[in-house]
Amino acid sequence: AQSVTQPDIHITVSEGASLELRCNYSYGATPYLFWYVQSPGQGLQLLLKYFSGDTLVQGIKGFEAEFKRSQSSFNLRKPSVHWSDAAEYFCAVQRGSTLGRLYFGRGTQLTVWP
Amino acid sequence: GAGVSQSPSNKVTEKGKDVELRCDPISGHTALYWYRQRLGQGLEFLIYFQGNSAPDKSGLPSDRFSAERTGESVSTLTIQRTQQEDSAVYLCASSTGQGAGGYTFGSGTRLTVV
Repeated sequence: AQSVTQPDIHITVSEGASLELRCNYSYGATPYLFWYVQSPGQGLQLLLKYFSGDTLVQGIKGFEAEFKRSQSSFNLRKPSVHWSDAAEYFCAVQRGSTLGRLYFGRGTQLTVWP
Repeated sequence: GAGVSQSPSNKVTEKGKDVELRCDPISGHTALYWYRQRLGQGLEFLIYFQGNSAPDKSGLPSDRFSAERTGESVSTLTIQRTQQEDSAVYLCASSTGQGAGGYTFGSGTRLTVV
């Protein structure tokens, strides 16, 4: 069965600092991979996704993520965090062969200090 | 519509009462998903509709939960005899059903059972 692990429940960074949020997945083949962001009281917004090809994908709001097959990881990065990036971030995987449910990690809460 | 619309946005109900939550997907989206998000938790899959196929109900936590969808339009999630542990944000999402494009989420219904 698929599973997604986000080992960091809460991360705090200073504004302007770099950010990396970790995500590991468990799946026999290469899944489709996603990062979503959820601001307080809001639904989830898609930041970026990986299907195949270039393992470094660019998303919205200056985020990027790198797929590493050998590590079963899909970590999210941003070179310089803004105060508005404070939110909860979810990594998700979907089986690559069929459309179906997304499996979500438990989320990482990001706090940004001014 | 332009996005996934959920109603009501907030619902407070007494323990033991039935509630209905509504989701209007993006027009033309054949796939529709319901997830539950308890406070401080990740997203818990409930049910998935894809076109005219039989829904995937594998995530429904008990027989008090049911969901319907008419064609490729509105879906309702019904919780009978609500319990306090049903308190959560119920998120609906839809997608095109054409490969892994990621979901578009609604803003959710916050259900509080008192």
